[in-house]
Amino acid sequence: AQSVTQPDIHITVSEGASLELRCNYSYGATPYLFWYVQSPGQGLQLLLKYFSGDTLVQGIKGFEAEFKRSQSSFNLRKPSVHWSDAAEYFCAVGPFGNEKLTFGTGTRLTIIP
Amino acid sequence: KAGVTQTPRYLIKTRGQQVTLSCSPISGHRSVSWYQQTPGQGLQFLFEYFSETQRNKGNFPGRFSGRQFSNSRSEMNVSTLELGDSALYLCASTVSRLAGDYEQFFGPGTRLTVL
Repeated sequence: AQSVTQPDIHITVSEGASLELRCNYSYGATPYLFWYVQSPGQGLQLLLKYFSGDTLVQGIKGFEAEFKRSQSSFNLRKPSVHWSDAAEYFCAVGPFGNEKLTFGTGTRLTIIP
Repeated sequence: KAGVTQTPRYLIKTRGQQVTLSCSPISGHRSVSWYQQTPGQGLQFLFEYFSETQRNKGNFPGRFSGRQFSNSRSEMNVSTLELGDSALYLCASTVSRLAGDYEQFFGPGTRLTVL
């Protein structure tokens, strides 16, 4: 069975600082990996995904993530956060040809001035 | 292009009642998935429909059901509501790309409160 672990429940960073959110997955084959962001009271917005090919993927809002098969990780990074990045971030894994996503428990990001 | 639409946005019901939630996917998308989001259990997959057929189902009791219409709009129904059914119900519209690639686009959700 597939699973996703986001070890950090809550992270606080200063505006302008760099950010890395951790995601580890468990899946028997090559996974599809996703990062979503959710603002309070809203649905999920897709930031980026890894499907195949280049292991460093670029997304919207200046985010990037790197797929590391040897570490079963797909960490999300941003070089300089903005106050508007405060939200909850979810990592998800999906199997090939099957749109049933398994989500991590999320990481809440707080930005301080 | 309009996004995923979910109605109603908020709903209050009492235990034992039933409820129907609606989802209109992005135009041209034929696959619709439903997820339940709660503080305790997080985001959990309910079911997925494609061309009016249920393709995948999560581990939820039979009180949770869904259907999809010929125009791809989908509804989910919860019968005999329990307090634990209080949640944000999210609908996702999926676009399938080449070689198995796909993306899910989520609606704003329906916030169901069971009293």
